[in-house]
Amino acid sequence: GIQVEQSPPDLILQEGANSTLRCNFSDSVNNLQWFHQNPWGQLINLFYIPSGTKQNGRLSATTVATERYSLLYISSSQTTDSGVYFCAVEDTGRRALTFGSGTRLQVQP
Amino acid sequence: DAGITQSPRYKITETGRQVTLMCHQTWSHSYMFWYRQDLGHGLRLIYYSAAADITDKGEVPDGYVVSRSKTENFPLTLESATRSQTSVYFCASSQGRSPLHFGNGTRLTVT
Repeated sequence: GIQVEQSPPDLILQEGANSTLRCNFSDSVNNLQWFHQNPWGQLINLFYIPSGTKQNGRLSATTVATERYSLLYISSSQTTDSGVYFCAVEDTGRRALTFGSGTRLQVQP
Repeated sequence: DAGITQSPRYKITETGRQVTLMCHQTWSHSYMFWYRQDLGHGLRLIYYSAAADITDKGEVPDGYVVSRSKTENFPLTLESATRSQTSVYFCASSQGRSPLHFGNGTRLTVT
């Protein structure tokens, strides 16, 4: 099956710093999504982004499908950004998402 | 309230017992999914459904049974629970190729 690799696995930032999270995938995909799992365990959809660039407030994402990677940018980080960020892809063989192992982000005040 | 609801939030059961986790969505999404989340393994797909009466296996289906007689419900049954099925279970739904939305999860402990 498709492989999804996220980097870095862990990230510690001071409040106000910017960061870039990366997601690499091993095969062609039909769609790619980013999720945030907050400290209470809730999984929130951030972006549905099979290709191109999208922005939502301080967060933006870019997917370059031809090169098989996606980036999630977090600007002016806040403590509420802490949690785990997951990238997930839908390959061409199955209508379900395969998740990466996540990037654990800790934003310190 | 609109959205996707899982019940119960927490469940403790004994090895060998049958357990059913419930999932209900109010969006009329065609696709529904069950994932389990374990430390060291991330989120893994158990089963999914493209529509009522259509289900398919995911990555880790052994020991689980699903059904989907109505579009809005997608229960997951552990026929004979084992300790290895201790996990957090997430139900999710989407309308085709659109954003996936998760319920709040069920934390299951098998003793």
